[in-house]
Amino acid sequence: ETGVTQTPRHLVMGMTNKKSLKCEQHLGHNAMYWYKQSAKKPLELMFVYSLEERVENNSVPSRFSPECPNSSHLFLHLHTLQPEDSALYLCASSPGHFLSGNTIYFGEGSWLTVV
Amino acid sequence: KQEVTQIPAALSVPEGENLVLNCSFTDSAIYNLQWFRQDPGKGLTSLLLIQSSQREQTSGRLNASLDKSSGRSTLYIAASQPGDSATYLCAVRRDNYGQNFVFGPGTRLSVLP
Repeated sequence: ETGVTQTPRHLVMGMTNKKSLKCEQHLGHNAMYWYKQSAKKPLELMFVYSLEERVENNSVPSRFSPECPNSSHLFLHLHTLQPEDSALYLCASSPGHFLSGNTIYFGEGSWLTVV
Repeated sequence: KQEVTQIPAALSVPEGENLVLNCSFTDSAIYNLQWFRQDPGKGLTSLLLIQSSQREQTSGRLNASLDKSSGRSTLYIAASQPGDSATYLCAVRRDNYGQNFVFGPGTRLSVLP
């Protein structure tokens, strides 16, 4: 148990559906992240939130929409996805995005399949 | 653009062997390097973090070294056990502005009993 909880663990959705992934951290951290891990690519950073403000958006298509209502919760809203978006989506948190030397804690991930 | 590679992509060893996993990065101007473990279908667990000014870090049977000038890091696992079977990823942090890791593709390790 890393203190970062993701739900759902598995999600199957059609290309016209709207769904959301949820992440909650119980570590008192100020920074939260979404990463994508697909079969043929290394882990890719998607979004970074620091103190509830988005500080990085790594050229992610607009069909992925993050939301960070507070420093403990992070959502990834999904809309009109493509089959190539099927992947493991990992949420992570760290004490502070701009602090040096801190490690990062990952959740167990949400497996997304787009049909 | 920083690129991280890991060799080998997969490794299978008998229990008890000592083994070395390799990580290479193209831009030596890193802030730190971290080794992670990922069990199938699970998230990542941090194993060792090496700051750019350090040469190595040790935790139990694990030892990670860093040669920043040559763009290389190794993860040494002593006396491997079946419970060590997992994918091992290295990641370099680009700078001191945030947790912006660039990950390698990982080495999938199987330790056979």
